[in-house]
Amino acid sequence: DVKVTQSSRYLVKRTGEKVFLECVQDMDHENMFWYRQDPGLGLRLIYFSYDVKMKEKGDIPEGYSVSREKKERFSLILESASTNQTSMYLCASRPERTFGRTEAFFGQGTRLTVV
Amino acid sequence: LAKTTQPISMDSYEGQEVNITCSHNNIATNDYITWYQQFPSQGPRFIIQGYKTKVTNEVASLFIPADRKSSTLSLPRVSLSDTAVYYCLVGDGPMRFGAGTRLTVKP
Repeated sequence: DVKVTQSSRYLVKRTGEKVFLECVQDMDHENMFWYRQDPGLGLRLIYFSYDVKMKEKGDIPEGYSVSREKKERFSLILESASTNQTSMYLCASRPERTFGRTEAFFGQGTRLTVV
Repeated sequence: LAKTTQPISMDSYEGQEVNITCSHNNIATNDYITWYQQFPSQGPRFIIQGYKTKVTNEVASLFIPADRKSSTLSLPRVSLSDTAVYYCLVGDGPMRFGAGTRLTVKP
């Protein structure tokens, strides 16, 4: 059974802390993505990566950074957490298209609260 | 990257067939069309993907006309558990989900 695992389901951090959200996939997928989801705003793309050590900014990268040192792991870093980063964070992985379908798989999400 | 447009919300009743149409006027030649479903507090999950004409699986059907500028997700005989947000995506670039279509199935 394919799996994308996020390190925490719920997380509470203080303003100003450096926060690491970890995502690991066991499907040898090339592409990985980080999103945040807020009520009424849908899924918004923060960063994505198409390969190891590669990263691209999504639509809302401000206040975040990422790391992809190994193919299976894609980490989202909040450099200095702020209350407006309280949200549900979702990680996804997807294979490169060779032939046939390419479906993305999502982790269970991390609900982060910054106080 | 092809932009998609789909209705914000739809209501249906149990047992009815639901059709959600997505418009993607600037779809590229090599782009596939993919639909995802999302329940509250969960990540989206893949429903169906197609390139042209019709694709059917155990969950849904996907209809794509010859010009490929739109696609229609068809859910046969919906139940209350089909209440969810449905997203249409086009292409293999970075996945941008937009607002999706919030389907509410009523008893």
